[in-house]
Amino acid sequence: GEDVEQSLFLSVREGDSSVINCTYTDSSSTYLYWYKQEPGAGLQLLTYIFSNMDMKQDQRLTVLLNKKDKHLSLRIADTQTGDSAIYFCAGGGYQKVTFGTGTKLQVIP
Amino acid sequence: SAVISQKPSRDICQRGTSLTIQCQVDSQVTMMFWYRQQPGQSLTLIATANQGSEATYESGFVIDKFPISRPNLTFSTLTVSNMSPEDSSIYLCSITAWDSSYEQYFGPGTRLTVT
Repeated sequence: GEDVEQSLFLSVREGDSSVINCTYTDSSSTYLYWYKQEPGAGLQLLTYIFSNMDMKQDQRLTVLLNKKDKHLSLRIADTQTGDSAIYFCAGGGYQKVTFGTGTKLQVIP
Repeated sequence: SAVISQKPSRDICQRGTSLTIQCQVDSQVTMMFWYRQQPGQSLTLIATANQGSEATYESGFVIDKFPISRPNLTFSTLTVSNMSPEDSSIYLCSITAWDSSYEQYFGPGTRLTVT
């Protein structure tokens, strides 16, 4: 099955860019996702990328996919205090999605 | 995207009892999923629930412990049976969007504490 790994913690200053990294094992994953979970809240789908893409940009978010290294990253430009949350990457195909361990992003004012 | 609601939002239950969690979606969906998120952990898929058929359970989860109902295309329930403190988790239901099977959305979750 799919294994998805992330670093546990990232701290950035407000206004800087944040880069959250993720590695996965299953090269057959069709879609790769980024979710945001704020304290006490459910999961919010931020963005996703098809496995045949290298990059996707959506406002302040940029997703980069390196298929050769099975590495996915999420860049948040101009990070704000409201971006403080846990970010999960996830990979899968139709129906089944496997989640990473989550990265806690702390934004320092 | 669809609006997903769950009841209850949280509960504190005694060991040995059972709790049924409800998931309601404001539109018809084919696929519904139940996940567990243990404290400080990532999400683990419990089972996939399709309307009109038995739920499909992931390794490590069994129907006797986590019975699931899916009576129609907008509703599902997950029961956590004979609870122990190890069942203390957030339980989340999830759907795939009707028009794009790869977009998976989550309900707000049910925070369960077993004492």
